[in-house]
Amino acid sequence: QKEVEQNSGPLSVPEGAIASLNCTYSDRGSQSFFWYRQYSGKSPELIMFIYSNGDKEDGRFTAQLNKASQYVSLLIRDSQPSDSATYLCAVQNSGGSNYKLTFGKGTLLTVNP
Amino acid sequence: GAVVSQHPSWVICKSGTSVKIECRSLDFQATTMFWYRQFPKQSLMLMATSNEGSKATYEQGVEKDKFLINHASLTLSTLTVTSAHPEDSSFYICSTAPLAKNIQYFGAGTRLSVL
Repeated sequence: QKEVEQNSGPLSVPEGAIASLNCTYSDRGSQSFFWYRQYSGKSPELIMFIYSNGDKEDGRFTAQLNKASQYVSLLIRDSQPSDSATYLCAVQNSGGSNYKLTFGKGTLLTVNP
Repeated sequence: GAVVSQHPSWVICKSGTSVKIECRSLDFQATTMFWYRQFPKQSLMLMATSNEGSKATYEQGVEKDKFLINHASLTLSTLTVTSAHPEDSSFYICSTAPLAKNIQYFGAGTRLSVL
């Protein structure tokens, strides 16, 4: 059973702070890792993807991957109230042509003005 | 990101009726589309993988005769919930990825309410 674990939160941070979201996964064969943002009542929106160990930065977002520890995280710098949403970690084992994603349950982030 | 159109966005139906949901990729061809279901405050659960020109692959516990999937072209997949019951009320979301790419983009979702 492939599992993706996230702290369900809620995680509450003040505006301007750094929000840190964490995710662990059980399948060592996982090769691709994604962070999606989901506003209430809406579908997921891709924020970041990362394939290699280390950090990947895109604007205010930084994804971090440590395959040895089976750990992936998302940092949001200068958090804004508009960042308040549920953040879903998704893991993909890209063996062959199977691109199925396994999602965590998500972490609810609240950014307080 | 890629554009995936899902229709309808919201549907209410009577128990026992069937509902069809469409998922279209607007700016690329997709041999594979994915159908998810999400209950309130739960994560996305993959229901099935839709393959163009062949049968869909269903996840364990998903009734293939109840959730009919058709993927007749490289840009369109449909999910039909047959003989819907109140317990089928949920948020159904499709996703797809451009050919040879592994990044999935999601449709806007369909909220189904069965009375």
